[in-house]
Amino acid sequence: EVQLVESGGGLVQPGGSLRLSCAASGFTFSNYEMNWVRQAPGKGLEWVSYISSSGSSIYYADSMKGRFTISRDNAKNSLYLQMSSLRDEDTAVYYCARGYSGFVYWGQGTLVTVSS
Amino acid sequence: QSALTQPASVSGSPGQSITISCTGTSRDVGGYNYVSWYQQHPGKAPKLMIYEVSKRPSGVSDRFSGSKSGNTASLTISGLQAEDEADYYCSSYTSSNTRVFGTGTKVTVL
Repeated sequence: EVQLVESGGGLVQPGGSLRLSCAASGFTFSNYEMNWVRQAPGKGLEWVSYISSSGSSIYYADSMKGRFTISRDNAKNSLYLQMSSLRDEDTAVYYCARGYSGFVYWGQGTLVTVSS
Repeated sequence: QSALTQPASVSGSPGQSITISCTGTSRDVGGYNYVSWYQQHPGKAPKLMIYEVSKRPSGVSDRFSGSKSGNTASLTISGLQAEDEADYYCSSYTSSNTRVFGTGTKVTVL
């Protein structure tokens, strides 16, 4: 069974940093592209970032460029999102999702709250 | 990277068909056949309903169908059921190698 489990969310002050993790199981992680998608409370979905199966191709939404860094460790079956210079508007549930042309598998999400 | 435009809400009676539109530009929806649709119930993770404009993942009811014309994609739900009441989001690949979601549509079953 495919499982994606996010962790690392929590309360952080504006300007702070946080590292999210996504542990993958039930499939050959190194064969699949991965993404981060977020959803602010009561709002819609927002795509955050993409990383290719090898990690050689990486893309970000404009509002995250320069502040967020996506990475993966295929040996550990894990996806990461390093977030810095966090703003109030980054408060959201962050999901990891597998796929390229469609995100078939999603984690349950981890809540990041940016507040003083 | 502006969000794709969807109607805020669509409603229908059980058994009816409804269609949700998703309008973008030639740099996203109109330029690629990488449009997908997601269903999200409150407090749950999104579920993929359609990918590559009109393909259904295994296990998704054939009451859900997708299409595209120019810069607008559409999701049609036929034989509307109470369990279809949810938020729906479209998504597209873009010319910048990024992805963009739609604004979301709340479907209400009357």
